[in-house]
Amino acid sequence: SQQGEEDPQALSIQEGENATMNCSYKTSINNLQWYRQNSGRGLVHLILIRSNEREKHSGRLRVTLDTSKKSSSLLITASRAADTASYFCAANSGYSSASKIIFGSGTRLSIRP
Amino acid sequence: GAGVSQSPSNKVTEKGKDVELRCDPISGHTALYWYRQRLGQGLEFLIYFQGNSAPDKSGLPSDRFSAERTGESVSTLTIQRTQQEDSAVYLCASSPQPPGSTLNTEAFFGQGTRLTVV
Repeated sequence: SQQGEEDPQALSIQEGENATMNCSYKTSINNLQWYRQNSGRGLVHLILIRSNEREKHSGRLRVTLDTSKKSSSLLITASRAADTASYFCAANSGYSSASKIIFGSGTRLSIRP
Repeated sequence: GAGVSQSPSNKVTEKGKDVELRCDPISGHTALYWYRQRLGQGLEFLIYFQGNSAPDKSGLPSDRFSAERTGESVSTLTIQRTQQEDSAVYLCASSPQPPGSTLNTEAFFGQGTRLTVV
């Protein structure tokens, strides 16, 4: 079964506002990653947070991780029209050779000008 | 090449025909993943290669799907006797390290192959 589940499924906000997306996963993880997808094709890596980290920043992005709740959030501050895209969390499960990276169903973010 | 390359970018095939999708990962990347994405949906894990072995084939939807990889290079995903429900974008990604590594496990994606079965 797939691991990550994002909410909300869709989010529409005004340009300049902050956007928050949440992700839940099912099993233990090595790290959790967030990706962005434009136009339904290739995904671009945004940020990675390790299981022993609680918060990470990269530019306008802020990611938190709560391993006790098996959840993560992605905050985009001061949103821009160019941030319109789908955002996916990806859970990197475990430490064995059989571990893999499982993606959630994504949040479609629309920024209104 | 500089990034992950997938071919063809688009493929239209008749129901019942076999198709072969190709992925050229970034040179030196040991891990390679295949995902399927139906329209408006998330990414469905299909298979993961570490080198040329596949520790996890659990995501392959049926025995019509198979995949192989030559060393730490090109991978092909084959779908036999295609069905209309196979229509989707098939995404390939490679990563410099296996998923269990404490080093960089970021996945680099190709642009995908859009498969349409008519």
